[in-house]
Amino acid sequence: AQSVTQLDSHVSVSEGTPVLLRCNYSSSYSPSLFWYVQHPNKGLQLLLKYTSAATLVKGINGFEAEFKKSETSFHLTKPSAHMSDAAEYFCVVSEGGSSNTGKLIFGQGTTLQVKP
Amino acid sequence: EAGVTQFPSHSVIEKGQTVTLRCDPISGHDNLYWYRRVMGKEIKFLLHFVKESKQDESGMPNNRFLAERTGGTYSTLKVQPAELEDSGVYFCASSRTGPYGYTFGSGTRLTVV
Repeated sequence: AQSVTQLDSHVSVSEGTPVLLRCNYSSSYSPSLFWYVQHPNKGLQLLLKYTSAATLVKGINGFEAEFKKSETSFHLTKPSAHMSDAAEYFCVVSEGGSSNTGKLIFGQGTTLQVKP
Repeated sequence: EAGVTQFPSHSVIEKGQTVTLRCDPISGHDNLYWYRRVMGKEIKFLLHFVKESKQDESGMPNNRFLAERTGGTYSTLKVQPAELEDSGVYFCASSRTGPYGYTFGSGTRLTVV
């Protein structure tokens, strides 16, 4: 069965410094992996997705993630944090693989705080 | 295209009452999903419709929850009778079959008092 583990429940960075949100996954086959973000009182927005193409995935708002099969990781990074990045981030694996029709398995979420 | 729309955005009901949540998916999206996040927990899958048929309802917590998808368009999720532990945020998502991604609604925050 697939699962994801977000290694930090809370991350705090200063504006302008790098962001690293860590995610490990478990999957019996080649997974489809996603990062979603939820800003306060907003819905879940897709940041980026990995579906077995390039291992380095670029997303919106300067975020990117690298799929590392040997480490079963899919960490989210951004070179320079902005105040507007403060939100909750979810690492997600799809049971349906690349067909995008299966259910999604969510990590526990990481709250990113950005200090001025 | 219009996004996934959920009604209401907030609902406060008393224990024992009935509540119906509605989700309007993106037009043309055959797949519709319901998810729930209760306080302090991760977002959990409830069920998956393909058009009007329930493809997977393995996440439905108990028989107080009833989901329908009329004519393969909008979906409703009814909780009857509501219990305190049903409080949380209920998300709906839709997708086309294929590598197109899932689109989520803004969620309905349900509070049972």
